[in-house]
Amino acid sequence: EAGVAQSPRYKIIEKRQSVAFWCNPISGHATLYWYQQILGQGPKLLIQFQNNGVVDDSQLPKDRFSAERLKGVDSTLKIQPAKLEDSAVYLCASSPGGNYGYTFGSGTRLTVV
Amino acid sequence: AQSVTQPDIHITVSEGASLELRCNYSYGATPYLFWYVQSPGQGLQLLLKYFSGDTLVQGIKGFEAEFKRSQSSFNLRKPSVHWSDAAEYFCAVLLSNDYKLSFGAGTTVTVRA
Repeated sequence: EAGVAQSPRYKIIEKRQSVAFWCNPISGHATLYWYQQILGQGPKLLIQFQNNGVVDDSQLPKDRFSAERLKGVDSTLKIQPAKLEDSAVYLCASSPGGNYGYTFGSGTRLTVV
Repeated sequence: AQSVTQPDIHITVSEGASLELRCNYSYGATPYLFWYVQSPGQGLQLLLKYFSGDTLVQGIKGFEAEFKRSQSSFNLRKPSVHWSDAAEYFCAVLLSNDYKLSFGAGTTVTVRA
């Protein structure tokens, strides 16, 4: 089966600019997650979707980050305006649910200068 | 507080030598346990997982992990490392009440010739 697709792979922007990341999960996976991985740290959950509804966005900095999952399939994560501390790898993962575990995409490496 | 701890930030091992990476968790109940590997510039790949049953779990690439309830540990081992095992390794837990994956900070493995 095809894996979790993410684009772009790399992005460099200046602070205060906006950026968007795209994720296409494995077909049929109801649950989709966005993680932020800062260099030298483990991934941290930003937001969890179940189909097209948000289950948990308690760790999402809502003043600058937004995410949506239209039609319960693809998802986009947006940052506006970006700060230097947003430099990280943004990982998307999907799961059929329950304890089946996640499948991760290759991530988008964001550098804010 | 609930947490996943990987005590070793960085381990250097000679090619052909054995490897053991430590993971401890602090949760009220036994969570589902995972080990992921991340090569430079890549996403997270699942090595193995423990849900229940036999406490010694076999994974891909010759890795195994042992769950010890009394020590709240889930250590990863490989009898003989290859240069291609140089990567970052993450222990993660999944709780059955919310199915969100939480990661440790990771251990970087360097393999010397």
